[in-house]
Amino acid sequence: KAGVTQTPRYLIKTRGQQVTLSCSPISGHRSVSWYQQTPGQGLQFLFEYFSETQRNKGNFPGRFSGRQFSNSRSEMNVSTLELGDSALYLCASSLAVSGATDTQYFGPGTRLTVL
Amino acid sequence: KQEVTQIPAALSVPEGENLVLNCSFTDSAIYNLQWFRQDPGKGLTSLLLIQSSQREQTSGRLNASLDKSSGRSTLYIAASQPGDSATYLCAVRPHALAAGNKLTFGGGTRVLVKP
Repeated sequence: KAGVTQTPRYLIKTRGQQVTLSCSPISGHRSVSWYQQTPGQGLQFLFEYFSETQRNKGNFPGRFSGRQFSNSRSEMNVSTLELGDSALYLCASSLAVSGATDTQYFGPGTRLTVL
Repeated sequence: KQEVTQIPAALSVPEGENLVLNCSFTDSAIYNLQWFRQDPGKGLTSLLLIQSSQREQTSGRLNASLDKSSGRSTLYIAASQPGDSATYLCAVRPHALAAGNKLTFGGGTRVLVKP
């Protein structure tokens, strides 16, 4: 069974640009979550999508948005990039059937560098 | 607000020694707690998931315990090997429907196993 895949793996952008990152969950998984990882703040939750609906959102500005498609694939978009958006963006998927036993599986991440 | 702490931030041991990694959390209302491993620049690999009703979980050389009432979990790695060198992160999932699949992470413990 293929794992969680994220594309692209690396991205370099300049301030003010926008970027779209993609995540394909494990087959059969309905929940996709996004996290930002930086050396200073660690891993922070961005948002979660379940059955094409945003189920939960972290404490990030409106420049960060996402969506989920009917095949559970998800994209996140960051508009008007700032230097502080440089980070490793991780996507996680889960079956979302049982809360207590629901393991989350992470992709390899997209390394975004904003110049 | 849930806070997750991992102390120490870094640990160095000689090969063969047992590793003991600590994780503490402030809100005991959790669905589960997961331990992850992260190699430099890579995504997260799920190691163990302990449900809130469980006291411990084992997989090979790994054993994780959970004391929900005191807000603590410990990951034991027996007979450490240089290949165990990585950053280990714990994450808790809150026991609240509104929280969905959101995980709150600790800052991680960076482990170096010296040959």
